[in-house]
Amino acid sequence: GAVVSQHPSRVICKSGTSVKIECRSLDFQATTMFWYRQFPKKSLMLMATSNEGSKATYEQGVEKDKFLINHASLTLSTLTVTSAHPEDSSFYICSASGATNEKLFFGSGTQLSVL
Amino acid sequence: GENVEQHPSTLSVQEGDSAVIKCTYSDSASNYFPWYKQELGKGPQLIIDIRSNVGEKKDQRIAVTLNKTAKHFSLHITETQPEDSAVYFCAATAGVRGGNKLTFGTGTQLKVEL
Repeated sequence: GAVVSQHPSRVICKSGTSVKIECRSLDFQATTMFWYRQFPKKSLMLMATSNEGSKATYEQGVEKDKFLINHASLTLSTLTVTSAHPEDSSFYICSASGATNEKLFFGSGTQLSVL
Repeated sequence: GENVEQHPSTLSVQEGDSAVIKCTYSDSASNYFPWYKQELGKGPQLIIDIRSNVGEKKDQRIAVTLNKTAKHFSLHITETQPEDSAVYFCAATAGVRGGNKLTFGTGTQLKVEL
């Protein structure tokens, strides 16, 4: 299957700082990327959908000013958690798909811990 | 919108036995049904998928069946091995027409015991 690379795998930060997570499609052009949040022993919760070159579409209840998403190229999307607080601690996962293929491939996830 | 229900939430089997996980979906427009395996601390890995024009698909020890009329699909794992232990998620989507947005089931924790 296609490869989606996500970095960092784990980050610990102080409350009030911002954290950037990168998601790259390594062997295909990802016209659409998705960002999910997952709590322990729970399913994946879609946060936002980003299409290359346009603004991200956020799911209801997700603060767009809190979770900044940039999808500047067909192979890279970034999620920035701004002014992180302990309640933002979670496992964040990205996924990507091509233009005509509905298959979604996931990154390895980022465990964010805010102290 | 789409709603996907998944059962059971936990499943424990003996090594070598079969495991079956069932999902139902609500949106008749859904036409693509992937299954993901997620190990602790990792992202979900696509293990098999099926499109709505097919009733069954098999890949070695893994098979998926789809009943469009009843709106349910199932994952079958035969000859289970300890490395099959993980959380399995089913999902449904209307594909490109639906913006490739997946709706996930709630997950099944599969434990294969020696």
